[in-house]
Amino acid sequence: GQNIDQPTEMTATEGAIVQINCTYQTSGFNGLFWYQQHAGEAPTFLSYNVLDGLEEKGRFSSFLSRSKGYSYLLLKELQMKDSASYLCAHPNSNSGYALNFGKGTSLLVTP
Amino acid sequence: GAVVSQHPSWVICKSGTSVKIECRSLDFQATTMFWYRQFPKQSLMLMATSNEGSKATYEQGVEKDKFLINHASLTLSTLTVTSAHPEDSSFYICSARDYIRGNEKLFFGSGTQLSVL
Repeated sequence: GQNIDQPTEMTATEGAIVQINCTYQTSGFNGLFWYQQHAGEAPTFLSYNVLDGLEEKGRFSSFLSRSKGYSYLLLKELQMKDSASYLCAHPNSNSGYALNFGKGTSLLVTP
Repeated sequence: GAVVSQHPSWVICKSGTSVKIECRSLDFQATTMFWYRQFPKQSLMLMATSNEGSKATYEQGVEKDKFLINHASLTLSTLTVTSAHPEDSSFYICSARDYIRGNEKLFFGSGTQLSVL
């Protein structure tokens, strides 16, 4: 299967840390992506994990466990502009490696 | 970095008319482009894979005669919504991967908001 599950909504306070989880099922693993999307705009690339472990990139980090079919995106020092939808995705080998997206997690950062 | 340009950004049309959306890769050649559709507060759903010089591959449930895709060059793919109806109102977005640079990530166009009256 090509299922992706992530929470629908999350709320966090400015300056805090938030972790957005994603579980997935895929018949063949080709990496796990995280994208950020503001309403009415195109998704922008955040991270790509192909090996297990944590990849840190500034305020954003992404973790992958292939054996558990699990990933998370960690956002530190939250800013108001981080309010957006965060999409977990993986390539679909049956569709030319187009990305299959989860439904996205809508994050609201409050003052 | 790789850039994908999509036009128009938004379009309003009458029911029954056709609308063409263009997707261009500006600084790389894209033998494959992907077309997605996104309804409000929902995720991006893959509609079809556009292949340069050959027929597009459509996902299950997407009508190929309604959503015409043409990929005549290595930098341009077009999606034509034929005989549009209000239920076709959605956010359409294209994407492409720069295979030459070996970059796995997809680059997205800015999207087209289609409103059918």
